[in-house]
Amino acid sequence: EVQLVESGGSLVQPGGSLKLSCVASGFTFSNYWMDWVRQTPGKSLEWIGEINTDGSKTNYAPSIKDRFTISRDNAKSTLYLQMSNVKSDDTAIYYCTRISVYWGQGTLVTVSS
Amino acid sequence: DIQMTQSPSSLPASLGDRVTITCRASQDIGNYLRWFQQKPGKSPRLMIYGATNLAAGVPSRFSGSRSGSDYSLTINSLESEDMAIYYCLQHNEYPRTFGGGTKLELK
Repeated sequence: EVQLVESGGSLVQPGGSLKLSCVASGFTFSNYWMDWVRQTPGKSLEWIGEINTDGSKTNYAPSIKDRFTISRDNAKSTLYLQMSNVKSDDTAIYYCTRISVYWGQGTLVTVSS
Repeated sequence: DIQMTQSPSSLPASLGDRVTITCRASQDIGNYLRWFQQKPGKSPRLMIYGATNLAAGVPSRFSGSRSGSDYSLTINSLESEDMAIYYCLQHNEYPRTFGGGTKLELK
């Protein structure tokens, strides 16, 4: 069974940093591109970015480019999202997905002073 | 960015109804269109991929279609478990973009 388990969400101050993790199981992690998607409270979904199988290529949404970095550790079957210089608009539930077919349960990030 | 204009934003319906939700793409996306269902407190669930293909485990009352730049999700004979928010996603170009969502609720 495919499982994606996110962690690392918390309360963070504006301008601060946070690193989210997503541990994958039930499939060969290194064979799949992976995505991060977020959902602001009561609102729609927003694609954040993706990473290829070996971590050498990433694509990002303009809204977070140069502030967020996606990486992966295939030996640990783990996907990461490094968030920097966070803003109040970054408050959301963050999901990792296997190219939007399988989704984790999400982790909540709240940006507030 | 490609805009996905989803309508309606809210759709009251009765059990047994046939309902249709539409997403209009601002540019050509081919058939790179997916539909998701999301229930309160849950993660999105893939329902349709490639505009018309039913994802694994999805009931056959769900179907997807395309007419030009308009993509539709149709649910035949609505059941109570179908009440949810539905989203479309284009993955033809970067950045990937979602529609604004359609809340399907009982009339």
